[in-house]
Amino acid sequence: GNSVTQMEGPVTLSEEAFLTINCTYTATGYPSLFWYVQYPGEGLQLLLKATKADDKGSNKGFEATYRKETTSFHLEKGSVQVSDSAVYFCALSLNTPLVFGKGTRLSVIA
Amino acid sequence: GAGVSQSPSNKVTEKGKDVELRCDPISGHTALYWYRQSLGQGLEFLIYFQGNSAPDKSGLPSDRFSAERTGGSVSTLTIQRTQQEDSAVYLCASSLGRTSGGYEQYFGPGTRLTVT
Repeated sequence: GNSVTQMEGPVTLSEEAFLTINCTYTATGYPSLFWYVQYPGEGLQLLLKATKADDKGSNKGFEATYRKETTSFHLEKGSVQVSDSAVYFCALSLNTPLVFGKGTRLSVIA
Repeated sequence: GAGVSQSPSNKVTEKGKDVELRCDPISGHTALYWYRQSLGQGLEFLIYFQGNSAPDKSGLPSDRFSAERTGGSVSTLTIQRTQQEDSAVYLCASSLGRTSGGYEQYFGPGTRLTVT
């Protein structure tokens, strides 16, 4: 079946550090890929997406590139801020409903 | 504009009781989804509506769970004879088109269900 595997957290970083959250997927086809973020006390919201191989999604300084050859969609940010503290979910969609990874909790300390 | 709304925001119920959870999607969004978020299982898909029909019910965990959507808008998720393992946050989302085509799903704030 279709599945998403992302690195387990929690991840704790100092402000201005470089962030990578790994995400790999298994799918019977070519899915669209997403990163969703859940800030404390808030609902899930889309962070970025990519719909085909080699596409790069970007938003709020975050980037992720759809790599078909490695079936990956790693999330990166060059310089994290305290306000980036949240839970990040990698997800795929092949037949419309989203299939989510387990989530990675990021804590950024000043 | 208005986002996806869900009610109630919190629900505490006794084991064995029935509960109804409501979702109001964004106006004009034809697709509606229910998910469940729990500590042990992460985010799980439950059911998907396109208009009033449900082409994908594959995520419903048992026949105690059912959902309907009327008028292509409001949806109700019903859990009969609740069990403690049903305790979770139930999330509703809506989208303008197929997520597999890149359309964003917009999520509601969720209903936190606690079964005692």
